[in-house]
Amino acid sequence: DAGVTQSPTHLIKTRGQQVTLRCSPISGHKSVSWYQQVLGQGPQFIFQYYEKEERGRGNFPDRFSARQFPNYSSELNVNALLLGDSALYLCASSLTSGGAYEQYFGPGTRLTVT
Amino acid sequence: AQSVTQLGSHVSVSEGALVLLRCNYSSSVPPYLFWYVQYPNQGLQLLLKYTSAATLVKGINGFEAEFKKSETSFHLTKPSAHMSDAAEYFCAVSHTGANSKLTFGKGITLSVRP
Repeated sequence: DAGVTQSPTHLIKTRGQQVTLRCSPISGHKSVSWYQQVLGQGPQFIFQYYEKEERGRGNFPDRFSARQFPNYSSELNVNALLLGDSALYLCASSLTSGGAYEQYFGPGTRLTVT
Repeated sequence: AQSVTQLGSHVSVSEGALVLLRCNYSSSVPPYLFWYVQYPNQGLQLLLKYTSAATLVKGINGFEAEFKKSETSFHLTKPSAHMSDAAEYFCAVSHTGANSKLTFGKGITLSVRP
């Protein structure tokens, strides 16, 4: 079975632009979470969606938004990009929602803001 | 609120030596604990998890971790290091609730000397 897939792999944007990152979960998984990993740090939780509903939101500004589609894939949108948004954005899927369930991570999208 | 502390940012061991990576957690409710490994330019791979069953948890690639409530610790060990174990290791905590938010430590880089 295919794992979690993310696109694009790399992205270079200019300050003030907008970006959309995409994620396809493992088949059968209904929950998708997004994390931001800045160089040298652990991943930081941004959002979780389950059955198309937001189940959790981390401490990120309103410039960050996400949604989940009927096929359980997800998009993360970031508006008005700042230099500090440069990071590896990780998507993780799990069978359902809840802290006990393993989350499986994709390879990430490397976003560089210049 | 929950948090994870991983003391030290870098651990270096010789091939064949014991690997010990420390993790301490803070949680107001019974935690679920995870160890993930990240190889360069890749996503995170789950090594093992603790979800209140056995306190000694065995994972992939010969790693194991022991949950010690009295010490609020979940240290990762491997009896004999292999060159392929060189990577970054993250401890993470979640808890029972409506969402799957993982809170990660800052990570520890493991180097293995020949």
